Amino acid sequence: DADVTQTPRNRITKTGKRIMLECSQTKGHDRMYWYRQDPGLGLRLIYYSFDVKDINKGEISDGYSVSRQAQAKFSLSLESAIPNQTALYFCATSVQDRATGANVLTFGAGSRLTVL
Amino acid sequence: RKEVEQDPGPFNVPEGATVAFNCTYSNSASQSFFWYRQDCRKEPKLLMSVYSSGNEDGRFTAQLNRASQYISLLIRDSKLSDSATYLCAVIIIGSARQLTFGSGTQLTVLP
Repeated sequence: DADVTQTPRNRITKTGKRIMLECSQTKGHDRMYWYRQDPGLGLRLIYYSFDVKDINKGEISDGYSVSRQAQAKFSLSLESAIPNQTALYFCATSVQDRATGANVLTFGAGSRLTVL
Repeated sequence: RKEVEQDPGPFNVPEGATVAFNCTYSNSASQSFFWYRQDCRKEPKLLMSVYSSGNEDGRFTAQLNRASQYISLLIRDSKLSDSATYLCAVIIIGSARQLTFGSGTQLTVLP
């Protein structure tokens, strides 16, 4: 089984619909993240969480919300989906690299969302 | 200007060739640097960290040039399995230690 599991893997929805992307991890990491990836734009951080109930906005949080009710789970919601939220979404967890102090990320397999 | 920039490629090289990618960063307060590899339709995976003195892992060598604000990745003796997109990532002081990614450089190694 994957260390970081995302569901659904693919979703097609219509403008205005509410969508939730789920992420669960078995790595025991405290830190979890949601990124979106668009062609030519790379990975951009939406939200991150360092612990249960801890929520922090990333670079592009508008139009999204998250919930971290348990250490192992971090869900991303689009309250009213719009076409420019069509993207590949990645959940990630991290542990701090001892040498550099940096967060070393482990990604889930991704959730491809299409908003029509 | 993007904080982290990469040449998107594609780089098409024959098997056995040496290929190098650069990644420039705009914030001189950047403090940690990484290369990630992403296969088509897959998630990114950490390839290697980049240390100030440069570091090597088998056929892969990473270098940091703080004066010119770029990092590089050199791949020697390219294999078909090296075909992927290579993403650089940078931690900028004041960013709560979060990674900022470049948009990636696509490499195709040809038989």
